Amino acid sequence: QKEVEQNSGPLSVPEGAIASLNCTYSDRGSQSFFWYRQYSGKSPELIMFIYSNGDKEDGRFTAQLNKASQYVSLLIRDSQPSDSATYLCAVRSGGGADGLTFGKGTHLIIQP
Amino acid sequence: GAGVSQSPRYKVAKRGQDVALRCDPISGHVSLFWYQQALGQGPEFLTYFQNEAQLDKSGLPSDRFFAERPEGSVSTLKIQRTQQEDSAVYLCASSLVVGGLGANVLTFGAGSRLTVL
Repeated sequence: QKEVEQNSGPLSVPEGAIASLNCTYSDRGSQSFFWYRQYSGKSPELIMFIYSNGDKEDGRFTAQLNKASQYVSLLIRDSQPSDSATYLCAVRSGGGADGLTFGKGTHLIIQP
Repeated sequence: GAGVSQSPRYKVAKRGQDVALRCDPISGHVSLFWYQQALGQGPEFLTYFQNEAQLDKSGLPSDRFFAERPEGSVSTLKIQRTQQEDSAVYLCASSLVVGGLGANVLTFGAGSRLTVL
């Protein structure tokens, strides 16, 4: 059974600091990794995806992937109160368009 | 349309009633997914369509759940004889292309919140 694990939090980070969100997955055949942000009562929205080992940066966001450790993370630099949300890690195993497996999400709170 | 549209946004059903939830994906999107999200949980995969073909229904929790996409665009998720444990937000998502490492970028609808009394 494919599993994606995240610490549910809440993770509290002061404004302007770096927020670090972590995710582990069980299926070694996983190929693509996604971070979604979900505000309360809203639908998930894609922040970024990564499929190669290493770092991928997009603005204040950096995704990090380590396939050997089956670990993916999301760093948010210069955290803003508007970053307060639940962050969902999602994994896709196959090369085709099969469904994503989501973690339960980490609730992030940015303290002004 | 500009985004994935779902209706109704809110549905209250008495236990035992049948409900139908509609999803109108982004025009031209080949892939369509249904997810179930319980309170405080991540989305759980229910089923997947590629055009009108239902390629994966392994996540449907019971035979009370049925989904269709007869013309390859609008999809309906039907739940028969609803139970309290069916209370959740039902999310529909679509994506443009099939295959490729990063191709499965899903755009989600706002969801249909089902409450079964």
